Amino acid sequence: EAQVTQNPRYLITVTGKKLTVTCSQNMNHEYMSWYRQDPGLGLRQIYYSMNVEVTDKGDVPEGYKVSRKEKRNFPLILESPSPNQTSLYFCASALMGGLSNQPQHFGDGTRLSIL
Amino acid sequence: GQQLNQSPQSMFIQEGEDVSMNCTSSSIFNTWLWYKQDPGEGPVLLIALYKAGELTSNGRLTAQFGITRKDSFLNISASIPSDVGIYFCAGGSQGNLIFGKGTKLSVKP
Repeated sequence: EAQVTQNPRYLITVTGKKLTVTCSQNMNHEYMSWYRQDPGLGLRQIYYSMNVEVTDKGDVPEGYKVSRKEKRNFPLILESPSPNQTSLYFCASALMGGLSNQPQHFGDGTRLSIL
Repeated sequence: GQQLNQSPQSMFIQEGEDVSMNCTSSSIFNTWLWYKQDPGEGPVLLIALYKAGELTSNGRLTAQFGITRKDSFLNISASIPSDVGIYFCAGGSQGNLIFGKGTKLSVKP
């Protein structure tokens, strides 16, 4: 079954404790992306990757890092989480990015609470 | 940065009614996408539009990519109870995808 898998689905942690949210897709998609969803603000793009070893900032990249060492995985890293990063996070993938912006498949979300 | 204005923010529907929502932007986009999100789940793609003026249907849903490339609308005909949820538009250019803030569809009490 084609899917985007995020882990963990839920996490409560404390300020400053490094954490990583993993994202994996089994569709051989070139494009992957991370979003955060906050009430009243909708979905905002954090980082995206057009292909392996290629990453770019989205609209709200501050406080986040990503890496794309292999095509299927695109982890989101919070080196020193702060309470304002409490949010619902979604990973998405697409066959290819660029001008055509192929349809994106979303994971089921990761709810992070930073105390 | 780029912004999308999606309206209405919310609306109540009665079964059988037609529904319309739209998104506008001051920026030009190469792609317009429409998604639906149910509680506790990720957004699911409904319709993707790739060309200015394009009109595309998916069952009871119809969406259009505006000629100016700065707007798009989504129509739902003969709504049914399972249409409730939050609908998002998204405008794409290069790898960047900008989302509207959503239109929440609820059932009329």
